[in-house]
Amino acid sequence: EPEVTQTPSHQVTQMGQEVILRCVPISNHLYFYWYRQILGQKVEFLVSFYNNEISEKSEIFDDQFSVERPDGSNFTLKIRSTKLEDSAMYFCASLGEMNTEAFFGQGTRLTVV
Amino acid sequence: SQKIEQNSEALNIQEGKTATLTCNYTNYSPAYLQWYRQDPGRGPVFLLLIRENEKEKRKERLKVTFDTTLKQSLFHITASQPADSATYLCALRGSGGYNKLIFGAGTRLAVHP
Repeated sequence: EPEVTQTPSHQVTQMGQEVILRCVPISNHLYFYWYRQILGQKVEFLVSFYNNEISEKSEIFDDQFSVERPDGSNFTLKIRSTKLEDSAMYFCASLGEMNTEAFFGQGTRLTVV
Repeated sequence: SQKIEQNSEALNIQEGKTATLTCNYTNYSPAYLQWYRQDPGRGPVFLLLIRENEKEKRKERLKVTFDTTLKQSLFHITASQPADSATYLCALRGSGGYNKLIFGAGTRLAVHP
């Protein structure tokens, strides 16, 4: 069964450092998303991406965040200068054109120290 | 603003009984309402989807109802098993593939042998 894969599974970084979280969505999907989940809280929308551009972003997705799909398969989330409050699980998800359920990866646990 | 409410308290039931979880929403007219399962430290996994023009959907031991007048969905697991213990997330989405999923905080279900 096709799946969304995310790497790394766990990333520890110093405050102020840049991190790149990577995702390989399902190959024939067209819509891509990043969500985050702070420990004990709900899954929150960050950004949606379609046709090589951002289609929607939340208030959380400020200038410190960026996304790109550099090579047609990988989908990355970059945080330029991490803060302690960026510590969370980050989930990538993808959606096919006609499908209406989202497929989520297993997440990257980001710990900012 | 859009709001999704799920019982924040854990639901404890005996194996074999039916679990019923509630999702209420306000300030939104979703095209789809979806239920996901989330295990600790893992990404959400899609279970069932119901469209705005559908009243009920079933899949094996799962049943979802959708009342757009009450703005409520009920999620039932019949003949529950300890393996059903997890957090269940309600999510709403508008029409159009790029529209984001908005999640409720989830209800934790514990099924005791």
